Amino acid sequence: QSALTQPPSASGSPGQSVTISCTGTSTDVGAYNYVSWYLQHPGKAPKLMIYEVTKRPSGVPDRFSGSKSGNTASLTVSGLQAEDEADYYCSSYAGSNNLVFGGGTKLTVL
Amino acid sequence: EVQLVESGGGLVQPGGSLRLSCAASGFTFSSYWMSWVRQAPGKGLEWVANIKQDGSDKYCVDSVMGRFTISRDNAKNSLCLQMNSLRAEDTAVYYCARARRYNSASGPTYLDYWGQGTLVTVSS
Repeated sequence: QSALTQPPSASGSPGQSVTISCTGTSTDVGAYNYVSWYLQHPGKAPKLMIYEVTKRPSGVPDRFSGSKSGNTASLTVSGLQAEDEADYYCSSYAGSNNLVFGGGTKLTVL
Repeated sequence: EVQLVESGGGLVQPGGSLRLSCAASGFTFSSYWMSWVRQAPGKGLEWVANIKQDGSDKYCVDSVMGRFTISRDNAKNSLCLQMNSLRAEDTAVYYCARARRYNSASGPTYLDYWGQGTLVTVSS
């Protein structure tokens, strides 16, 4: 199982929007609408932000949104806030009860 | 409140064994798939293993197949990961997570609650 591809870094100023991409293949991202996104602050556990491409768990602000086109999924953070600065990881179901994660993107709020 | 608390991490020599545990509370443990995910120092997340609600089905990443075994005790609300033949590349923080799936036709598709993790260091 190969990791999904994410840009190592992204940045934006407070109030701006930033989009993080996650590229997989036709056997994971492209095959299923089962992409999820996780936020991780340094030294903390990951937190689920988006599941099934576009759905937000209760308590996650609507500033966070997800989408997918072909083998690439995206996470958009609108109205950037200081507390959004963190590492973001995408994940996809890859069939046969396997999950695959991306390498992570460090989001910096300038 | 859902809580997952891992324990059992530590320093172990290459070739050694370690058993991780995860104590679950705040939800009906026996109703959910569970997973282990690891994160090497300064690296990204890597899914390690899944186990079905009743423990009858287990899946793991190729790199740990034959060395790691996931198990659960629903009576004790506990998840375990038995790690044998440990290698330096197994050094990581190991997270326990509750797994969810879209429907019965698929395996777990996302992880909605995570523990704080336990550090495993494999070194001589």
